[in-house]
Amino acid sequence: AQSVTQLGSHVSVSEGALVLLRCNYSSSVPPYLFWYVQYPNQGLQLLLKYTTGATLVKGINGFEAEFKKSETSFHLTKPSAHMSDAAEYFCAVSGSRGAQKLVFGQGTRLTINP
Amino acid sequence: DTAVSQTPKYLVTQMGNDKSIKCEQNLGHDTMYWYKQDSKKFLKIMFSYNNKELIINETVPNRFSPKSPDKAHLNLHINSLELGDSAVYFCASSQNAAHEQYFGPGTRLTVT
Repeated sequence: AQSVTQLGSHVSVSEGALVLLRCNYSSSVPPYLFWYVQYPNQGLQLLLKYTTGATLVKGINGFEAEFKKSETSFHLTKPSAHMSDAAEYFCAVSGSRGAQKLVFGQGTRLTINP
Repeated sequence: DTAVSQTPKYLVTQMGNDKSIKCEQNLGHDTMYWYKQDSKKFLKIMFSYNNKELIINETVPNRFSPKSPDKAHLNLHINSLELGDSAVYFCASSQNAAHEQYFGPGTRLTVT
């Protein structure tokens, strides 16, 4: 079974500041990990994913995340926030074996202050 | 080209009615899903089909019945709608578990 915890339902940063969104997971099998972004009244768009190999993964719009097995974490970062980054962000996990389903965290709303 | 499309985008109906939501993907994926997003933005899987075969059914009431006429389509039929069914329903597709899921734009269902 898998589960995801996103620390902080709401994160607020200034434009140009570092963005850090935290995600911890639990999985009984080697996990596949994903970050999705949801803009208001839209569907989910994939930012990046980790399946195997390099633990630092780069995604779209300047985001990246690092898989840390020892810490069961997959935190999302961006060096410099833009106003356009304001959205809801979801971390998700699926198992590399077994049922093919995404288990989502509760989401983190990112607000960018000018 | 829209990868995953859903119709309708908005659906307003009264309690007790029956309604359907349609989903189509043109990505050639083998697996399709239905997710429910509640008012607190929490996303939870409902169903998954692989090559028209149901592989996941996550304790969803029997009033919800998915149907997959072919691997590009996955429809969701809901009988006897209840107030608690109000939510945004997302369709998604993927090639397999190692690949990302592509989401449709969502259908906002409001039951009055």
